Amino acid sequence: GAVVSQHPSRVICKSGTSVKIECRSLDFQATTMFWYRQFPKQSLMLMATSNEGSKATYEQGVEKDKFLINHASLTLSTLTVTSAHPEDSSFYICSARMDLRRPYEQYFGPGTRLTVT
Amino acid sequence: AQSVTQLDSQVPVFEEAPVELRCNYSSSVSVYLFWYVQYPNQGLQLLLKYLSGSTLVESINGFEAEFNKSQTSFHLRKPSVHISDTAEYFCAVSGQGGKLIFGQGTELSVKP
Repeated sequence: GAVVSQHPSRVICKSGTSVKIECRSLDFQATTMFWYRQFPKQSLMLMATSNEGSKATYEQGVEKDKFLINHASLTLSTLTVTSAHPEDSSFYICSARMDLRRPYEQYFGPGTRLTVT
Repeated sequence: AQSVTQLDSQVPVFEEAPVELRCNYSSSVSVYLFWYVQYPNQGLQLLLKYLSGSTLVESINGFEAEFNKSQTSFHLRKPSVHISDTAEYFCAVSGQGGKLIFGQGTELSVKP
């Protein structure tokens, strides 16, 4: 149980275009989903926290207009990188939380490798 | 504010040797501590966690970690590593609202 999927696993896009990444909780309802960014050989940096039906909360320094997050249902959150540039190339990982009584318990997706050319 | 420091960025070790991956944290409140493992181009998998109770926690694949409050540490150990243990390991602390704060990661490289 507690499986989280991401789609696509890899995406290459041209500079200036937008790309959407999906994060789905397959066998549970996620009260909260988190989006992380990971640069090569570095740690995960939390970008934003999203709750179903409400606006995402972005971490300091993350451009909300560039990284659009939508959490339309209890099983789906999307991250759209708008007007992508090569510096947006990174590994994006989502996680999902099912139980507010255990806020620390997150289940991670397999990640999406974004390459902007 | 909470933070996590992993003292070693890379740990090379021979197969069947013991290994320790070090993790120190800082927090002004009670913490939950975690170790995650990441294989190349994959997401994170929870290895083990400390929530409360016994300070020694174990995983199903032979890893263990000990919560030491006085030293603010949560080091990960395995008495005998395998080639398949080669991966990146992240220590994390649960912060406000359940946010996870990760350390910089330790690359464990097991050589035959």
